[in-house]
Amino acid sequence: QKEVEQDPGPLSVPEGAIVSLNCTYSNSAFQYFMWYRQYSRKGPELLMYTYSSGNKEDGRFTAQVDKSSKYISLFIRDSQPSDSATYLCAMSSRNNDMRFGAGTRLTVKP
Amino acid sequence: EADIYQTPRYLVIGTGKKITLECSQTMGHDKMYWYQQDPGMELHLIHYSYGVNSTEKGDLSSESTVSRIRTEHFPLTLESARPSHTSQYLCASIPAGRYSPLHFGNGTRLTVT
Repeated sequence: QKEVEQDPGPLSVPEGAIVSLNCTYSNSAFQYFMWYRQYSRKGPELLMYTYSSGNKEDGRFTAQVDKSSKYISLFIRDSQPSDSATYLCAMSSRNNDMRFGAGTRLTVKP
Repeated sequence: EADIYQTPRYLVIGTGKKITLECSQTMGHDKMYWYQQDPGMELHLIHYSYGVNSTEKGDLSSESTVSRIRTEHFPLTLESARPSHTSQYLCASIPAGRYSPLHFGNGTRLTVT
């Protein structure tokens, strides 16, 4: 069983839709939770980073962490064609033992 | 703007050749990492370094080697490339001290024919 499972997608939505991306994990030592966005032919860029359970909002993006259920989500409001990319969840323990999900490819259609 | 630079961006090379993938960062980060990324798969750690003259192998068995002679430079070498090495290679770094998310370069796409 993988330590991190990410909804594989691909996901295709119309412009303006609310997008929900999800990951589950099994290692209770994970304390840091990240979402990366990766455009085609580029490296992953950090989108959201959170340490504790709860919600963190940044513009149209909201990251949600539920440590009791070992579940994290990324919500994108008012999605734009420029949001089309692959989204990677990532999590780490205190000793930088980082694990990634396999990524969800999102397409936002104009 | 990327502060971590990988060259070349794309490389097509024949089986048996020796290749070095370059990674440099200008942020003074102590910790550097090499990951392998294949489509639809999670990133796999192949090597990491916590400072000059410090290198360790990661989770993924790899026939590559790395060196860390200068803080800013972390090259990865394949002594004899094989088609199974065809992949995207990502370099990343973070500063020492309290936890910080990885900062990635734009990767090298390697194809071994």
